[in-house]
Amino acid sequence: KQEVTQIPAALSVPEGENLVLNCSFTDSAIYNLQWFRQDPGKGLTSLLLIQSSQREQTSGRLNASLDKSSGRSTLYIAASQPGDSATYLCAVRGSSNTGKLIFGQGTTLQVKP
Amino acid sequence: NAGVTQTPKFQVLKTGQSMTLQCAQDMNHEYMSWYRQDPGMGLRLIHYSVGAGITDQGEVPNGYNVSRSTTEDFPLRLLSAAPSQTSVYFCASGGGQLTPNYGYTFGSGTRLTVV
Repeated sequence: KQEVTQIPAALSVPEGENLVLNCSFTDSAIYNLQWFRQDPGKGLTSLLLIQSSQREQTSGRLNASLDKSSGRSTLYIAASQPGDSATYLCAVRGSSNTGKLIFGQGTTLQVKP
Repeated sequence: NAGVTQTPKFQVLKTGQSMTLQCAQDMNHEYMSWYRQDPGMGLRLIHYSVGAGITDQGEVPNGYNVSRSTTEDFPLRLLSAAPSQTSVYFCASGGGQLTPNYGYTFGSGTRLTVV
């Protein structure tokens, strides 16, 4: 059974810092991995999607990497801003591509001005 | 392009009542899913569908029913509401076998309280 873990559960950093959020999964046979952002009381917003054949994806100040063999993905946020404060979730889709997404518990990020 | 639309946004039910949460997507996505989000439990899959006429159970299906008669719509029915079903419900749609490069898009959620 696929399990997804995100460490740390919470993170507080001063504005301007570069930071890394971690996501690990137990079954390396994945179809793709997706990073989401969730603001309090809101829905999930997709940030980056990495297919199993890819090593990384970039969007603006965000960079996500994928290492299937070790069962890990990282989300790198450059020059953090207070507006980056949110909960970040990673989710994996299994290799059979049945459509199931398995989520981690999320990392709640606070960027202090 | 509306994406994934969920209605209602808020709902209060009495124990034993039934209701349907609506979900519609306009992206021609093959896959659709329902999740519930509870504090400390994260997002848990209730039911999912890989195409019109095809549905399957997720992690926590008891007390819920779904059908998918069209590509666009995927309603979630609560058969007899219980306080344990108090939660925030999210509908999502994503690319499937035909469009594997499309990730999932989520609706804004329905906050349900059962009293």
